[in-house]
Amino acid sequence: NAGVMQNPRHLVRRRGQEARLRCSPMKGHSHVYWYRQLPEEGLKFMVYLQKENIIDESGMPKERFSAEFPKEGPSILRIQQVVRGDSAAYFCASSQDRVGQPQHFGDGTRLSIL
Amino acid sequence: QQQVKQSPQSLIVQKGGISIINCAYENTAFDYFPWYQQFPGKGPALLIAIRPDVSEKKEGRFTISFNKSAKQFSLHIMDSQPGDSATYFCAASSRSGGSYIPTFGRGTSLIVHP
Repeated sequence: NAGVMQNPRHLVRRRGQEARLRCSPMKGHSHVYWYRQLPEEGLKFMVYLQKENIIDESGMPKERFSAEFPKEGPSILRIQQVVRGDSAAYFCASSQDRVGQPQHFGDGTRLSIL
Repeated sequence: QQQVKQSPQSLIVQKGGISIINCAYENTAFDYFPWYQQFPGKGPALLIAIRPDVSEKKEGRFTISFNKSAKQFSLHIMDSQPGDSATYFCAASSRSGGSYIPTFGRGTSLIVHP
């Protein structure tokens, strides 16, 4: 998992607050994928971004969730007005190009909602 | 709708034994089948992958067997070791929209006893 950096590793928020999760892809990678993992479940695709573009957001909830990958800086997954059901591990992965597989995952952010 | 079904949910094997994890898929457009290994507190790591033009792929102690007509594929871990204890995810993807975005199975928790 070397290379894809996610922070924070753990994040605790109260219901109604905002959560911001950051992902810096591997050096040279310009494509980022966000996944959510619930206990005893696999990873659920949320969104796929390229620098300054959202390529596929078919897995994103319609409300409260947004993602960006600016020209400079990390990709951000933003959850507004968090609810208990948002508690999960959020993983980011990166690839070098559009056709590349998301082979390289970060170690995730564990989000807990009080 | 679960597009990739994985079994068993958990597996206990003695050191030196063979671990077998099975997956089945529904979408005939899938044309790339990776397996990921995840240790506690870490992100998934790509282990081995196969395309449907071959029926088997072997890398060290890890082998993928692929049955296109049955829409099934499996991971075999030969001479299983305690260090193989982890959660294993199968996945499937197709080049939809110019990029591969894997759909994951629910995972198999493998424990290898010394």
